[in-house]
Amino acid sequence: SQKIEQNSEALNIQEGKTATLTCNYTNYSPAYLQWYRQDPGRGPVFLLLIRENEKEKRKERLKVTFDTTLKQSLFHITASQPADSATYLCALDGPGGGADGLTFGKGTHLIIQP
Amino acid sequence: EPEVTQTPSHQVTQMGQEVILRCVPISNHLYFYWYRQILGQKVEFLVSFYNNEISEKSEIFDDQFSVERPDGSNFTLKIRSTKLEDSAMYFCASSEIVGTVEQYFGPGTRLTVT
Repeated sequence: SQKIEQNSEALNIQEGKTATLTCNYTNYSPAYLQWYRQDPGRGPVFLLLIRENEKEKRKERLKVTFDTTLKQSLFHITASQPADSATYLCALDGPGGGADGLTFGKGTHLIIQP
Repeated sequence: EPEVTQTPSHQVTQMGQEVILRCVPISNHLYFYWYRQILGQKVEFLVSFYNNEISEKSEIFDDQFSVERPDGSNFTLKIRSTKLEDSAMYFCASSEIVGTVEQYFGPGTRLTVT
């Protein structure tokens, strides 16, 4: 079955710096990889999706890369702010496309210190 | 902005009782999902639903669970004979069409089984 590993349980970053989060996966070649944000006691919120034939995707201060050879995605937040503090989840699609459930990693807890 | 809603926000039930968790997906979405998240653990896929039938289910989704779309707006998860280990946050999600695989999550229902 698919396995997703995210780089650490907590990452402390100084405000204004770039935060880089890692997602590694095994036993699967996904068509998509997604990143979600989750705040305590809340549901995940979709941030970015990158397809297997895309190397990089950007949205405002967010950037995602996808290396299907390394089976790794990197998620960057530039000019980080305390409001970016949250848990960030990496998710893979299932083999059947849009109707399949997502497989989530356990998430990286990001703390942006003022 | 349209959003997924869930009721109740918190449900307390005794072991062995039946519970129904309710969700109203985004109105033009066609795919519906239930996930659960045990405290401190990752978000886990339970079931997906499309065209009034189950599309995919995980190993967690056994005979204790059922889903239904009783009308044009609601999507429910029924858990029969609840167990202590069913205590978790249950998230409903929806997505628009095949190929648009980002999922939109509700705020969750916290289920506590005593």
